[in-house]
Amino acid sequence: GESVGLHLPTLSVQEGDNSIINCAYSNSASDYFIWYKQESGKGPQFIIDIRSNMDKRQGQRVTVLLNKTVKHLSLQIAATQPGDSAVYFCAENMEETGGSYIPTFGRGTSLIVHP
Amino acid sequence: KAGVTQTPRYLIKTRGQQVTLSCSPISGHRSVSWYQQTPGQGLQFLFEYFSETQRNKGNFPGRFSGRQFSNSRSEMNVSTLELGDSALYLCASSSGQIHGQETQYFGPGTRLLVL
Repeated sequence: GESVGLHLPTLSVQEGDNSIINCAYSNSASDYFIWYKQESGKGPQFIIDIRSNMDKRQGQRVTVLLNKTVKHLSLQIAATQPGDSAVYFCAENMEETGGSYIPTFGRGTSLIVHP
Repeated sequence: KAGVTQTPRYLIKTRGQQVTLSCSPISGHRSVSWYQQTPGQGLQFLFEYFSETQRNKGNFPGRFSGRQFSNSRSEMNVSTLELGDSALYLCASSSGQIHGQETQYFGPGTRLLVL
């Protein structure tokens, strides 16, 4: 099947900098995208989502951009803090025949924030 | 509100055995999804249950099965365990009202080691 991939496995930034984590997706029929954060020893935590009828959505210190033309998703974190250090996953949901949704996850990017 | 809980947190089994994992969703949530997370394959969708019925299913062999009870608690079972089944098994719940386009809340996972 089609898969979601991440461009960078590890991203190191200084505290206070802005971080950008990228994700390429393969399935143009996907209509819902989510970013998750996973800290060591914990389950993934929802950060922000975006539907395919939007190209930008903002949350608290985070912004997700969706470029359907090139099938690219990005997560921007403003003023990155040490507590942001984690693995970040993008995920896509595609509605399949019969109305079922199959979520597909990227491999993850490890964000390391240096104080 | 209490979060998603999973039991047990850690489990060691031997090849050929079977295992049952349990998940209690957030109160009021009717959808429970199961995922397998491994270093090699990342996070992969197993299946989703909604109102005691399997609504979605990923690409896993029939050895992986699940069920959901009337109180929305869910169990997943893996029969005839293989070494490759060693993984973190994650459960996530959501209200289930907007199929395929709503926030999922993950539990901490069950770490299964097959020897």
